[in-house]
Amino acid sequence: ETGVTQTPRHLVMGMTNKKSLKCEQHLGHNAMYWYKQSAKKPLELMFVYSLEERVENNSVPSRFSPECPNSSHLFLHLHTLQPEDSALYLCASSQVDTVTRGYTFGSGTRLTVV
Amino acid sequence: DAKTTQPPSMDCAEGRAANLPCNHSTISGNEYVYWYRQIHSQGPQYIIHGLKNNETNEMASLIITEDRKSSTLILPHATLRDTAVYYCIVRVNTDKLIFGTGTRLQVFP
Repeated sequence: ETGVTQTPRHLVMGMTNKKSLKCEQHLGHNAMYWYKQSAKKPLELMFVYSLEERVENNSVPSRFSPECPNSSHLFLHLHTLQPEDSALYLCASSQVDTVTRGYTFGSGTRLTVV
Repeated sequence: DAKTTQPPSMDCAEGRAANLPCNHSTISGNEYVYWYRQIHSQGPQYIIHGLKNNETNEMASLIITEDRKSSTLILPHATLRDTAVYYCIVRVNTDKLIFGTGTRLQVFP
């Protein structure tokens, strides 16, 4: 247990479904992040939230919609996904104004789009 | 873009020291060197970070050259559970964490 909890651990969804990934951090951090890791590829940063405001969106398609209702929770809402969106989705948190250990990651959600 | 260069893969015998190199020739004066590792299909795990001085913790040691253009992560007694992809990342503390392709370390019995 790292202090960052992601649910569900595994998700299979059809291309017409709507689902949400949830991330919760218990570390008192003030920033949260979504990463995507496709097979045999480096981690790609998708979204950055700092102090609950989205500060970065790295050209992510609109079928991915993040939400950060407070500093402890982060969601990724999914709709009309494509099979190539199948990947490991990782959430992370950090405290941006100090030199710390950097980011703490959750265990990820393994998403399969069928 | 990742600002580091790492070998794609390395092998290490169990019980021996694993020395993982990283080149970061364009590192700026205020950038730290961070090391993370990712065991298969899990989230990356922080290992260690440093600015100029060598650092040691319960997991590993970090050796940074005097000119700061390269560094080495040392796992003093590698075990099978240390098999993972190891990422070397340079950043200022307020920067995003951008991952490269890392080094796949295989520890064998």
